[in-house]
Amino acid sequence: GESVGLHLPTLSVQEGDNSIINCAYSNSASDYFIWYKQESGKGPQFIIDIRSNMDKRQGQRVTVLLNKTVKHLSLQIAATQPGDSAVYFCAENTPTGNQFYFGTGTSLTVIP
Amino acid sequence: ETGVTQTPRHLVMGMTNKKSLKCEQHLGHNAMYWYKQSAKKPLELMFVYNFKEQTENNSVPSRFSPECPNSSHLFLHLHTLQPEDSALYLCASSQFSGSPSYNEQFFGPGTRLTVL
Repeated sequence: GESVGLHLPTLSVQEGDNSIINCAYSNSASDYFIWYKQESGKGPQFIIDIRSNMDKRQGQRVTVLLNKTVKHLSLQIAATQPGDSAVYFCAENTPTGNQFYFGTGTSLTVIP
Repeated sequence: ETGVTQTPRHLVMGMTNKKSLKCEQHLGHNAMYWYKQSAKKPLELMFVYNFKEQTENNSVPSRFSPECPNSSHLFLHLHTLQPEDSALYLCASSQFSGSPSYNEQFFGPGTRLTVL
């Protein structure tokens, strides 16, 4: 099966600092990637996506970077807030289907 | 109701019980999914339905039986479960427009299942 992993299982940051969450993927054919946020007691929520024809995409306070050479994806959160505390997952999709493969997640804790 | 809803939110059942999980999406999507989420493991895809037809069954034991009567509703029938089946079961939906697909999946809040 596919393998999507995260470099760090937990991350603690001070409120107001920037956060960077990393993700490695294994399938070079993957062409669509999503970052999800999952708060306690809730299902994953879409944060931002990126297609493989892009290197960077920005949203509100979030930026996703894609490095296809090393098969690496990162999520940057600017001015991290307590409400950003959650588990963050990356997911990849290949051109052949509508199946996503998810990483184990990184738990982000924001310290007030 | 908006988005993807799941009922019940919590379920405790014995190994000999039969129960069903329900998912409903209010987004007009044509694809629905069941995932299993266990602690410290990636989301495991169980079943995929496109246009009410099952297109994926990721080697799921037969004690899990999905049903998709229409594109808005998805059920997961449970019988003779094992304690290791205790997990969060997530339903998702998306608009599948053929491969490649660049459409995100929208998740419900999940059903927390405990098998005694």
